[in-house]
Amino acid sequence: GQNIDQPTEMTATEGAIVQINCTYQTSGFNGLFWYQQHAGEAPTFLSYNVLDGLEEKGRFSSFLSRSKGYSYLLLKELQMKDSASYLCAVSPNSGNTPLVFGKGTRLSVIA
Amino acid sequence: DVKVTQSSRYLVKRTGEKVFLECVQDMDHENMFWYRQDPGLGLRLIYFSYDVKMKEKGDIPEGYSVSREKKERFSLILESASTNQTSMYLCASSLHSGPGGVNEQFFGPGTRLTVL
Repeated sequence: GQNIDQPTEMTATEGAIVQINCTYQTSGFNGLFWYQQHAGEAPTFLSYNVLDGLEEKGRFSSFLSRSKGYSYLLLKELQMKDSASYLCAVSPNSGNTPLVFGKGTRLSVIA
Repeated sequence: DVKVTQSSRYLVKRTGEKVFLECVQDMDHENMFWYRQDPGLGLRLIYFSYDVKMKEKGDIPEGYSVSREKKERFSLILESASTNQTSMYLCASSLHSGPGGVNEQFFGPGTRLTVL
């Protein structure tokens, strides 16, 4: 079976740092995606990890540990516009098998 | 700029009606997907397609069918709409990847369907 777990909701303060965790148990592993989804809008791509380690992209970083089945998304210098849902998704096989999505973490950034 | 478009942002239908949701992508992607998204349940895959005239069932295909007559267009059909099909429907597309590869999915803006 395929299972992806992430917290349902998180709250953080403007200017702070927040870490959103994702753990996965899937039949295989061919990479992990993070998507951002603002309320009422489509998910948009944030990052992709296939090798262990940290990928940094501006204020956002994503980390992967394949041996632990674990990833996190790190958001620095939080802004109000970062209030959104963050979806963790795993590609369980190579080729064109659909991504398996977690249920998403709703992040609220407060002043 | 990559583009996935869906025919309607909001749709209201009555129980028993046949409903067509259209999705078009202009990126020449081989793969196309239909999801529904409900609070607390996340994104759930209904059907996907790897190529024209090909279709595969996802996790929740019951009550739905699909059509892919052209590469750029993937239609979701509710043969007889029911109230439990009230949801946000998201279409996505991606490039066909080679062995060991994987490509990100690009999403359309979604159609919020209400079945009364």
